[in-house]
Amino acid sequence: DIQMTQSPASLSASVGETVTITCRASENIYSYLAWYQQKQGKSPQLLVYNAKTLAEGVPSRFSGSGSGTQFSLKINSLQPEDFGSYYCQHHYGTPYTFGGGTKLEIK
Amino acid sequence: QVQLQQPGAELVKPGASVKLSCKASGYTFTSYWMHWVKQRPGQGLEWIGEINPSNGRTNYNEKFKSKATLTVDKSSSTAYMQLSSLTSEDSAVYYCARSNDGSSDYWGQGTTLTVSS
Repeated sequence: DIQMTQSPASLSASVGETVTITCRASENIYSYLAWYQQKQGKSPQLLVYNAKTLAEGVPSRFSGSGSGTQFSLKINSLQPEDFGSYYCQHHYGTPYTFGGGTKLEIK
Repeated sequence: QVQLQQPGAELVKPGASVKLSCKASGYTFTSYWMHWVKQRPGQGLEWIGEINPSNGRTNYNEKFKSKATLTVDKSSSTAYMQLSSLTSEDSAVYYCARSNDGSSDYWGQGTTLTVSS
């Protein structure tokens, strides 16, 4: 199975800052990488798929990049509603494993 | 609009089985695979498996092959996941999610399963 490693596990930032979360795949997954946001007590929501395509309705301050084994999610000008947990997941063949998650907290 | 409706909670005894449901609406049920995902309290997401509603074909995470069985009822646009031989380790929130080329673009609200005597 393909292993997904996310970093950092937790991150503290202020409103207005820019943050980057990274995800590394244990083997080449081309651009088959998705990012999700999950707020406390809620279902995950798709942010990005195919490494860099924003899902419908996702603000443009979110951006995804990378290919192969190294990927990143960048959030420009953090807003209060952006705090929560973020997960990467590869979608290059089953099983579609998730990264361990990054908890983004308010500083 | 796309909706995936899941019961909020289930309480079952250790050793028993449970069948969780996920009723889809707002799109053609048979056109998209359906994923199931597990999340234990305070933990990350685990992909359990997926089912193709048009023909019943399934793919499982090896870890869940002996635990979960995925089925569908096309007449009611409902996906099911049966979990067997339940233990406390199975207590978690279980989500269904519509697959869009492998990523999950719509999620249900999740069913909180509690395994307790």
